[in-house]
Order: sequence, then structure tokens, then C-alpha cells
Amino acid sequence: SQKIEQNSEALNIQEGKTATLTCNYTNYSPAYLQWYRQDPGRGPVFLLLIRENEKEKRKERLKVTFDTTLKQSLFHITASQPADSATYLCARDSGNTPLVFGKGTRLSVIA
Amino acid sequence: NAGVTQTPKFRILKIGQSMTLQCTQDMNHNYMYWYRQDPGMGLKLIYYSVGAGITDKGEVPNGYNVSRSTTEDFPLRLELAAPSQTSVYFCASSYGEGRGNEQFFGPGTRLTVL
Repeated sequence: SQKIEQNSEALNIQEGKTATLTCNYTNYSPAYLQWYRQDPGRGPVFLLLIRENEKEKRKERLKVTFDTTLKQSLFHITASQPADSATYLCARDSGNTPLVFGKGTRLSVIA
Repeated sequence: NAGVTQTPKFRILKIGQSMTLQCTQDMNHNYMYWYRQDPGMGLKLIYYSVGAGITDKGEVPNGYNVSRSTTEDFPLRLELAAPSQTSVYFCASSYGEGRGNEQFFGPGTRLTVL
């Protein structure tokens, strides 16, 4: 089966630092990787996606990379703020099947 | 646009009871999904639909049923509730299936089976 793994359940960082979250996949590369944010008691909200042939994608303070050699995507939040505290989910998008979500990483930004 | 709406927000059921979780979207999306989310376990796909009249099983369909009679609505039915169905249920919709199409999620229904 096509798996997607987020190895860190939780990550604590100091305000102002860069948070880096990891998403690993197995077998063949998905066509896309999608990233979502989920706040407690709410549904996930889409943040951004990256295509297999893109190495890097940016949106404001967010940056996502896609490394097909390592079978990994990294999600960075620069100049992190307490308001960035949430659970971040990555999802494998293979193009013709439903998304497969990782378990998520809970990020806490400490002031 | 209201996006994806779900009712009820909370529900407590007794073992063996039945209920229907409602989901409606107003974005004219063809694709709709039902997930359950248990603590630390991520989102698991229960059922999905690629359009009115067409549904398919996801990873964890046992104990659930769905129907899709309109583009807007995708109800999830629990026939004989069991404690293992205690979870948070999310409905989602998308314009297309994958291929870079983002999913829009509802606020969730928190279900407890006692």
C-alpha cells in the first residue's frame, strides 16, 4: 500500500525560530503532496501543495520541498509565531485515487 | 458560500442505536468524502463519492453506509452503533479527485458511543 508517514508526533520550538516538519512516503512518488493545518476542534484547512517535479514551493512564511531521492517532503514555517501552533497534516496525492493522510505533527510555538 | 456543513456537532449514542450524520456542500463539487479521526491516528477514509449516485468504500467502511442522491448531500449512516465507532467524523469535498485538487473540510461531528 502507498503509505505516508509523519514521524514526529509533536514539535516544540521557540517563537521566531524556523519550524521544520517531515513527511515521508513509500514506494513510488506521488504526483503531488498536499499540506493542511488543523486547529483543535476544527476540520483541516488546505495550506499548499507541491508537484513531484517541483523542488520547492513558497507561500508567505511557508516553504515546502519535495525530494524524490529521499522520498520526503519538508514543511518549513519561518519566523514562527504562537498563532502557528496547530497540527499539520501531509497528504499523498497520487492523482487518481483519494488522498492518503499522515497522522500529523502537533506544533507548539512557545513565546 | 457556507462551504461544507455538518450536523450534528456532538452526539452521544447507546450501543446498538442508529443515526445519520449529515453533510452538505454548496461549492458544486463532484467529489465528497467521509473520514474518521481518532486521537493520534490521523484521518482514515470511510467512504467517498465521485458524483451523485456513485459511492465507493475507503479504508474503514465496516459498520457504515452512505448514499449520494444529490450533488450537495452525502449522509453517513451508522446502523448499529458500537463503542469502536466513537470518533470525530469529518466530511470533505473537492472539485476533482487528487491531481492537486484541495479538499474542503466541514467542522466535524464528535460521536460518543456508550
